[in-house]
Amino acid sequence: EPEVTQTPSHQVTQMGQEVILRCVPISNHLYFYWYRQILGQKVEFLVSFYNNEISEKSEIFDDQFSVERPDGSNFTLKIRSTKLEDSAMYFCASSITSGSGNEQFFGPGTRLTVL
Amino acid sequence: GQQLNQSPQSMFIQEGEDVSMNCTSSSIFNTWLWYKQDPGEGPVLLIALYKAGELTSNGRLTAQFGITRKDSFLNISASIPSDVGIYFCAGRYSNTGKLIFGQGTTLQVKP
Repeated sequence: EPEVTQTPSHQVTQMGQEVILRCVPISNHLYFYWYRQILGQKVEFLVSFYNNEISEKSEIFDDQFSVERPDGSNFTLKIRSTKLEDSAMYFCASSITSGSGNEQFFGPGTRLTVL
Repeated sequence: GQQLNQSPQSMFIQEGEDVSMNCTSSSIFNTWLWYKQDPGEGPVLLIALYKAGELTSNGRLTAQFGITRKDSFLNISASIPSDVGIYFCAGRYSNTGKLIFGQGTTLQVKP
């Protein structure tokens, strides 16, 4: 069964450093998403991406964040200058469409620890 | 922004018991979803609901989309130890696919 994959599984970085989290969505999916989950809390939407453009972003997704689909398979989330409060699980998700009947499949997540 | 209130926050039950959890919102959603998350993994979709009043089953799981479109419940019948995990409701109202998640219900099942 096709699945969303994410690398690395765990990333440790120093405050102020740039990190890039990588995702390989399911191959025939067209919509891509990033969510984050701070330890013990709910999953929060960051951004949706379609046709090489951001469709919607949350207030969490400020100028320090960016997304890119550098080639036909990868979807990346970059945090330019990490802060302690960026420590969280980051989940990538993908779907065929953005509407009913074709729901989002989530990857296993990348645990980001900012020291 | 839109928020979902999910309850209960946690449940500790005996194997074989039925479980019920629910989500409410002050705003209308056009899709309700229920996900399960195991430790260290991403959410896995259990049930999707698309119409007000819709009642859908997936094995021992049953979920309903409230008539007002502002609530949903999930029932698990005859719980087993592998039902242990965190259950999240999620709603969608936007055509960009954005999901709003509830706070989660942690389920523990005693054999």
